[in-house]
Amino acid sequence: AQTVTQSQPEMSVQEAETVTLSCTYDTSESDYYLFWYKQPPSRQMILVIRQEAYKQQNATENRFSVNFQKAAKSFSLKISDSQLGDAAMYFCAYRRGPMNRDDKIIFGKGTRLHILP
Amino acid sequence: DAGVIQSPRHEVTEMGQEVTLRCKPISGHNSLFWYRQTMMRGLELLIYFNNNVPIDDSGMPEDRFSAKMPNASFSTLKIQPSEPRDSAVYFCASSGTPLGGRDRETQYFGPGTRLLVL
Repeated sequence: AQTVTQSQPEMSVQEAETVTLSCTYDTSESDYYLFWYKQPPSRQMILVIRQEAYKQQNATENRFSVNFQKAAKSFSLKISDSQLGDAAMYFCAYRRGPMNRDDKIIFGKGTRLHILP
Repeated sequence: DAGVIQSPRHEVTEMGQEVTLRCKPISGHNSLFWYRQTMMRGLELLIYFNNNVPIDDSGMPEDRFSAKMPNASFSTLKIQPSEPRDSAVYFCASSGTPLGGRDRETQYFGPGTRLLVL
């Protein structure tokens, strides 16, 4: 069974600095999808970034980028120029590949990110 | 698109009452998911539908919980009778692209329903 592990329950970063959130996963499959979701205090779950395992290039979305290490089964999220609005719970998530009809996404337990002014 | 729509946004009820949560998925999406989130248990998948058919309901806690999807644009999650331990935020999410295009795998979440059972 696939699992997703976020080993940092909480992190803090100074405003305008860069922070990296860690995520590891376990799977025997070669094709899959990885996601980072953000949940601010409003509780809304917001997609931050997604990565397709067959793509070697790391996904980026403005100040958010990932370091996808397929062999190590690692998928970390880097937030550059941290802003107060980045304060949230961040969830790493895994979904099996397109050849698999299982639509479920497996979520990690989350990392709470604090931004220090 | 308006995104996933959930109603009500907040619900306060007394123990023993029936509670019905509603969800309208993104138009064209063919998979719908119900989640529950609590401090103690985190985010749990309760049930998911594909093409209006329940595929996996292994996360439904007990017989007091039931979910239906009568058509592609509407789903309900019902709790009867409700108990204080059901207090949580309930999310609905949907995924899929009508023409099998890009990003059919990403789940998009509604704003959630905050349920408090007294």
